[in-house]
Amino acid sequence: GAVVSQHPSRVICKSGTSVKIECRSLDFQATTMFWYRQFPKQSLMLMATSNEGSKATYEQGVEKDKFLINHASLTLSTLTVTSAHPEDSSFYICSARSPQTGLGETQYFGPGTRLLVL
Amino acid sequence: SQKIEQNSEALNIQEGKTATLTCNYTNYSPAYLQWYRQDPGRGPVFLLLIRENEKEKRKERLKVTFDTTLKQSLFHITASQPADSATYLCALDGYNFNKFYFGSGTKLNVKP
Repeated sequence: GAVVSQHPSRVICKSGTSVKIECRSLDFQATTMFWYRQFPKQSLMLMATSNEGSKATYEQGVEKDKFLINHASLTLSTLTVTSAHPEDSSFYICSARSPQTGLGETQYFGPGTRLLVL
Repeated sequence: SQKIEQNSEALNIQEGKTATLTCNYTNYSPAYLQWYRQDPGRGPVFLLLIRENEKEKRKERLKVTFDTTLKQSLFHITASQPADSATYLCALDGYNFNKFYFGSGTKLNVKP
Protein backbone atom coordinates (compact mmCIF):
# COMPACT_ATOMS: atom_id res chain seq x y z
CA GLY A 1 0.00 0.00 0.00
CA ALA A 2 0.82 3.72 0.14
CA VAL A 3 1.77 4.21 -3.48
CA VAL A 4 2.16 7.65 -4.98
CA SER A 5 2.45 8.21 -8.70
CA GLN A 6 3.59 11.21 -10.71
CA HIS A 7 2.99 12.10 -14.30
CA PRO A 8 4.84 12.80 -16.46
CA SER A 9 8.11 11.26 -15.38
CA ARG A 10 10.06 13.48 -17.75
CA VAL A 11 9.17 16.58 -19.69
CA ILE A 12 11.08 18.88 -22.00
CA CYS A 13 9.53 22.22 -22.88
CA LYS A 14 10.39 25.52 -24.46
CA SER A 15 11.04 28.59 -22.39
CA GLY A 16 7.85 30.53 -21.73
CA THR A 17 5.49 27.59 -21.79
CA SER A 18 3.63 26.13 -18.82
CA VAL A 19 3.98 22.60 -17.57
CA LYS A 20 1.57 20.67 -15.37
CA ILE A 21 2.72 17.82 -13.15
CA GLU A 22 0.22 15.47 -11.53
CA CYS A 23 0.64 13.68 -8.24
CA ARG A 24 -1.76 10.90 -7.25
CA SER A 25 -2.09 8.75 -4.17
CA LEU A 26 -3.22 5.41 -5.59
CA ASP A 27 -4.41 3.42 -2.60
CA PHE A 28 -5.02 5.92 0.15
CA GLN A 29 -6.57 9.32 0.67
CA ALA A 30 -4.00 12.04 1.10
CA THR A 31 -5.24 14.94 3.15
CA THR A 32 -1.91 16.67 2.68
CA MET A 33 0.49 16.63 -0.23
CA PHE A 34 3.89 18.23 -0.48
CA TRP A 35 5.88 19.46 -3.45
CA TYR A 36 9.67 19.42 -3.40
CA ARG A 37 12.36 20.45 -5.80
CA GLN A 38 15.75 18.82 -5.94
CA PHE A 39 18.80 20.05 -7.81
CA PRO A 40 21.64 17.66 -8.64
CA LYS A 41 23.49 16.40 -5.58
CA GLN A 42 21.40 18.56 -3.30
CA SER A 43 18.73 17.84 -0.79
CA LEU A 44 15.00 18.03 -1.27
CA MET A 45 13.74 21.57 -0.83
CA LEU A 46 10.14 21.90 0.24
CA MET A 47 8.28 24.24 -2.08
CA ALA A 48 4.74 24.09 -0.75
CA THR A 49 2.23 22.17 1.29
CA SER A 50 -1.22 21.60 -0.09
CA ASN A 51 -4.30 20.49 1.80
CA GLU A 52 -7.31 19.18 -0.02
CA GLY A 53 -9.84 21.88 -0.69
CA SER A 54 -7.75 24.79 0.53
CA LYS A 55 -5.01 27.04 -0.74
CA ALA A 56 -1.46 25.81 -0.71
CA THR A 57 1.06 27.13 1.79
CA TYR A 58 4.26 28.18 0.08
CA GLU A 59 7.72 28.21 1.58
CA GLN A 60 9.62 31.44 1.78
CA GLY A 61 11.13 32.39 -1.55
CA VAL A 62 8.79 30.25 -3.65
CA GLU A 63 6.62 32.29 -6.01
CA LYS A 64 3.04 31.17 -5.70
CA ASP A 65 2.09 32.78 -9.00
CA LYS A 66 4.78 30.85 -10.79
CA PHE A 67 4.20 27.48 -9.13
CA LEU A 68 0.46 26.97 -9.07
CA ILE A 69 -0.75 24.16 -6.87
CA ASN A 70 -4.21 22.66 -6.92
CA HIS A 71 -5.31 19.91 -4.53
CA ALA A 72 -8.74 19.25 -5.95
CA SER A 73 -9.38 15.86 -4.40
CA LEU A 74 -8.02 13.56 -1.72
CA THR A 75 -6.04 11.65 -4.31
CA LEU A 76 -4.80 14.32 -6.71
CA SER A 77 -2.60 17.37 -6.49
CA THR A 78 -1.17 19.23 -9.46
CA LEU A 79 1.79 21.57 -9.78
CA THR A 80 1.85 23.92 -12.75
CA VAL A 81 5.09 25.68 -13.56
CA THR A 82 3.95 28.77 -15.40
CA SER A 83 6.10 30.55 -17.99
CA ALA A 84 8.92 28.13 -17.36
CA HIS A 85 12.51 29.26 -17.80
CA PRO A 86 15.77 27.29 -17.94
CA GLU A 87 16.44 27.99 -14.26
CA ASP A 88 13.25 26.09 -13.43
CA SER A 89 14.82 22.92 -14.78
CA SER A 90 14.96 20.52 -11.88
CA PHE A 91 13.65 17.30 -10.41
CA TYR A 92 10.21 17.84 -8.90
CA ILE A 93 8.96 15.34 -6.37
CA CYS A 94 5.62 15.14 -4.63
CA SER A 95 4.77 13.31 -1.47
CA ALA A 96 1.55 12.50 0.32
CA ARG A 97 0.59 11.74 3.86
CA SER A 98 -2.55 10.47 5.45
CA PRO A 99 -3.83 10.50 9.00
CA GLN A 100 -5.07 6.95 8.60
CA THR A 101 -3.81 4.39 11.04
CA GLY A 102 -0.40 3.14 10.08
CA LEU A 103 0.24 5.93 7.61
CA GLY A 104 -0.01 8.90 9.90
CA GLU A 105 3.41 10.45 10.16
CA THR A 106 5.20 9.16 7.12
CA GLN A 107 5.40 10.82 3.78
CA TYR A 108 5.19 8.61 0.72
CA PHE A 109 7.01 9.98 -2.27
CA GLY A 110 6.25 9.86 -5.92
CA PRO A 111 8.94 8.80 -8.40
CA GLY A 112 9.65 12.38 -9.41
CA THR A 113 9.37 14.42 -12.60
CA ARG A 114 12.43 15.62 -14.44
CA LEU A 115 11.75 19.00 -16.03
CA LEU A 116 14.09 20.41 -18.65
CA VAL A 117 13.33 23.87 -19.99
CA LEU A 118 15.16 24.78 -23.17
CA SER B 1 16.63 28.23 11.71
CA GLN B 2 17.02 24.48 11.86
CA LYS B 3 20.06 22.89 10.31
CA ILE B 4 20.50 19.26 9.39
CA GLU B 5 23.90 17.88 8.53
CA GLN B 6 24.82 14.67 6.86
CA ASN B 7 28.28 13.74 5.69
CA SER B 8 28.47 14.97 2.13
CA GLU B 9 31.36 12.66 1.32
CA ALA B 10 30.46 9.28 -0.03
CA LEU B 11 30.87 6.32 2.27
CA ASN B 12 32.67 3.43 0.63
CA ILE B 13 32.58 0.07 2.37
CA GLN B 14 33.16 -3.56 1.56
CA GLU B 15 30.28 -5.98 1.14
CA GLY B 16 29.41 -7.71 4.40
CA LYS B 17 30.56 -4.85 6.61
CA THR B 18 28.33 -2.56 8.63
CA ALA B 19 27.67 0.87 7.19
CA THR B 20 27.05 3.70 9.64
CA LEU B 21 25.66 7.02 8.52
CA THR B 22 25.27 10.11 10.67
CA CYS B 23 22.65 12.80 10.88
CA ASN B 24 23.22 15.81 13.13
CA TYR B 25 20.84 18.67 13.70
CA THR B 26 20.85 22.02 15.46
CA ASN B 27 18.36 24.68 16.51
CA TYR B 28 15.61 22.13 16.49
CA SER B 29 13.76 19.60 18.65
CA PRO B 30 12.02 17.15 16.35
CA ALA B 31 9.21 14.93 17.53
CA TYR B 32 10.61 12.20 15.33
CA LEU B 33 13.22 11.50 12.74
CA GLN B 34 13.03 9.44 9.59
CA TRP B 35 15.47 7.83 7.21
CA TYR B 36 14.86 7.48 3.51
CA ARG B 37 16.69 5.84 0.66
CA GLN B 38 16.96 7.58 -2.70
CA ASP B 39 18.24 6.02 -5.89
CA PRO B 40 19.40 8.22 -8.79
CA GLY B 41 16.49 9.83 -10.63
CA ARG B 42 13.93 8.41 -8.21
CA GLY B 43 11.87 9.68 -5.32
CA PRO B 44 12.89 8.84 -1.75
CA VAL B 45 11.65 5.61 -0.21
CA PHE B 46 10.75 5.53 3.49
CA LEU B 47 12.85 3.17 5.59
CA LEU B 48 12.48 3.84 9.31
CA LEU B 49 10.91 6.29 11.73
CA ILE B 50 12.10 6.81 15.30
CA ARG B 51 10.38 8.97 17.88
CA GLU B 52 12.02 11.30 20.36
CA ASN B 53 11.27 8.96 23.26
CA GLU B 54 12.82 5.98 21.50
CA LYS B 55 16.53 5.24 21.69
CA GLU B 56 16.75 2.61 19.01
CA LYS B 57 14.66 1.00 16.32
CA ARG B 58 15.39 -1.99 14.10
CA LYS B 59 14.03 -3.38 10.88
CA GLU B 60 15.71 -6.40 9.37
CA ARG B 61 19.33 -5.34 8.65
CA LEU B 62 18.63 -1.70 9.50
CA LYS B 63 19.07 -0.03 12.86
CA VAL B 64 18.49 3.59 13.81
CA THR B 65 19.45 5.35 17.02
CA PHE B 66 18.25 8.72 18.19
CA ASP B 67 20.12 10.74 20.79
CA THR B 68 18.20 13.92 21.57
CA THR B 69 20.95 15.12 23.90
CA LEU B 70 23.63 14.91 21.23
CA LYS B 71 21.05 15.91 18.58
CA GLN B 72 22.20 13.04 16.47
CA SER B 73 20.85 9.96 14.73
CA LEU B 74 22.92 7.06 13.50
CA PHE B 75 21.73 4.77 10.72
CA HIS B 76 23.31 1.33 10.47
CA ILE B 77 23.10 -1.26 7.73
CA THR B 78 24.53 -4.58 8.83
CA ALA B 79 25.85 -7.21 6.42
CA SER B 80 25.79 -4.61 3.67
CA GLN B 81 25.22 -5.64 0.07
CA PRO B 82 25.99 -3.91 -3.23
CA ALA B 83 22.21 -3.46 -3.62
CA ASP B 84 22.31 -1.17 -0.58
CA SER B 85 24.29 1.37 -2.60
CA ALA B 86 22.19 4.54 -2.72
CA THR B 87 21.88 7.95 -1.13
CA TYR B 88 20.39 7.95 2.35
CA LEU B 89 18.51 10.98 3.61
CA CYS B 90 17.46 11.84 7.11
CA ALA B 91 14.38 13.96 7.67
CA LEU B 92 13.08 15.72 10.73
CA ASP B 93 9.56 16.71 11.57
CA GLY B 94 8.05 18.85 14.25
CA TYR B 95 5.06 18.69 16.52
CA ASN B 96 2.77 20.22 13.94
CA PHE B 97 3.54 17.32 11.60
CA ASN B 98 3.24 19.68 8.71
CA LYS B 99 6.77 20.10 7.45
CA PHE B 100 9.72 17.89 6.82
CA TYR B 101 13.27 19.10 6.73
CA PHE B 102 15.75 16.94 4.85
CA GLY B 103 19.47 16.58 5.15
CA SER B 104 21.51 16.67 1.96
CA GLY B 105 22.07 12.92 2.10
CA THR B 106 25.05 10.63 2.21
CA LYS B 107 25.91 8.42 -0.71
CA LEU B 108 26.75 4.86 0.24
CA ASN B 109 28.80 2.66 -2.07
CA VAL B 110 29.02 -1.01 -1.14
CA LYS B 111 31.72 -2.78 -3.09
CA PRO B 112 31.57 -6.50 -3.80
